Amino acid sequence: DAGVIQSPRHEVTEMGQEVTLRCKPISGHDYLFWYRQTMMRGLELLIYFNNNVPIDDSGMPEDRFSAKMPNASFSTLKIQPSEPRDSAVYFCASSLRQGQNIQYFGAGTRLSVL
Amino acid sequence: GENVEQHPSTLSVQEGDSAVIKCTYSDSASNYFPWYKQELGKRPQLIIDIRSNVGEKKDQRIAVTLNKTAKHFSLHITETQPEDSAVYFCAASIIDMRFGAGTRLTVKP
Repeated sequence: DAGVIQSPRHEVTEMGQEVTLRCKPISGHDYLFWYRQTMMRGLELLIYFNNNVPIDDSGMPEDRFSAKMPNASFSTLKIQPSEPRDSAVYFCASSLRQGQNIQYFGAGTRLSVL
Repeated sequence: GENVEQHPSTLSVQEGDSAVIKCTYSDSASNYFPWYKQELGKRPQLIIDIRSNVGEKKDQRIAVTLNKTAKHFSLHITETQPEDSAVYFCAASIIDMRFGAGTRLTVKP
């Protein structure tokens, strides 16, 4: 398996534009997690899915952020409209079973909002 | 929710010395405690983990200890090498995983 695949690797956009980040989890993994990493706030859990269903989105910073998982092999994180403070590295991770199983991280998307 | 605190935030050691990173957690229900290593510009990668029914686990130069009573766990790296230089994160998990703020370890040759 190629591991967790994220795209794009880098995204530069202007304030106000819509940004869509994509993630393909490891085949067979039931859980998918979206994290945001900044120097100030470290690694923050934004939302996670179990069997394509969002379970906890309490980490999503505000209504401008939304995430979907239309099927077991694809998830998106959307920011609309984007703001400079959204600049960060966004990681997707997947695991077989939450709580007791390893989370495997994708390579991340580095987002810069100008 | 779970709150994980990690210390120190930076750690500098000489090659060959040992390094210790400590974490505390708040929720006694947490039952899984992984440690991730993140090199500059790369993804976090699991280096070792421990589950709540185990007090200590070792893998070559890396060991983790868990004290459930005190709600703290530690990472020990012996015989450090320059390639151990990275940011290390601890995490605690019940339903979802919460990460510590990270420790930047520098191993000086």
